[in-house]
Amino acid sequence: GAVVSQHPSRVICKSGTSVKIECRSLDFQATTMFWYRQFPKQSLMLMATSNEGSKATYEQGVEKDKFLINHASLTLSTLTVTSAHPEDSSFYICSAGDYVNSPLHFGNGTRLTVT
Amino acid sequence: AQKVTQAQTEISVVEKEDVTLDCVYETRDTTYYLFWYKQPPSGELVFLIRRNSFDEQNEISGRYSWNFQKSTSSFNFTITASQVVDSAVYFCALSEGKAAGNKLTFGGGTRVLVKP
Repeated sequence: GAVVSQHPSRVICKSGTSVKIECRSLDFQATTMFWYRQFPKQSLMLMATSNEGSKATYEQGVEKDKFLINHASLTLSTLTVTSAHPEDSSFYICSAGDYVNSPLHFGNGTRLTVT
Repeated sequence: AQKVTQAQTEISVVEKEDVTLDCVYETRDTTYYLFWYKQPPSGELVFLIRRNSFDEQNEISGRYSWNFQKSTSSFNFTITASQVVDSAVYFCALSEGKAAGNKLTFGGGTRVLVKP
């Protein structure tokens, strides 16, 4: 089946630094990719929708200048957490969709810890 | 606006017992998709099922079964003869519109603990 690869799976960084997370669709062309965030023991909340070749659409309350999303090709989207702070520590997970009637495939997630 | 409610936050059962997870949704669209995902402790989301709004047939897959009732806006999930490996958080989700690749709105999740 379709596979979405997310890297890294785990990252620890110091406060003030930036972290880049990659989401790749391995065997299909993902016209749309979604970035979700999950705090401990909570549900997944959509952060932004990324369409190849255009600007991402951010959900209300998500700072676009802090969470930079780039979807440069049909197989790769990146999320960069800029000037990370401890409150950004969370589980970030991406999903990718192709055409109608396909299930949404998720990456394995990235656990970010900001110290 | 779409909304998914999973009233049970945590369910604890003994192995071999059946467990039913409730999911109630709200949407103004007539075309939508419903999903169930399993999230084991390792964190990845495992796709279990997708159902579109025009298909109310119940489905069985091994020990898993789903009951979709549009009249009550519910899409419940039952694990029969539960096993320890079923311990995980289960999420119900909804996506509106005709494209199955639209964004998902997740319920709060139900943590299932199966004790040996």
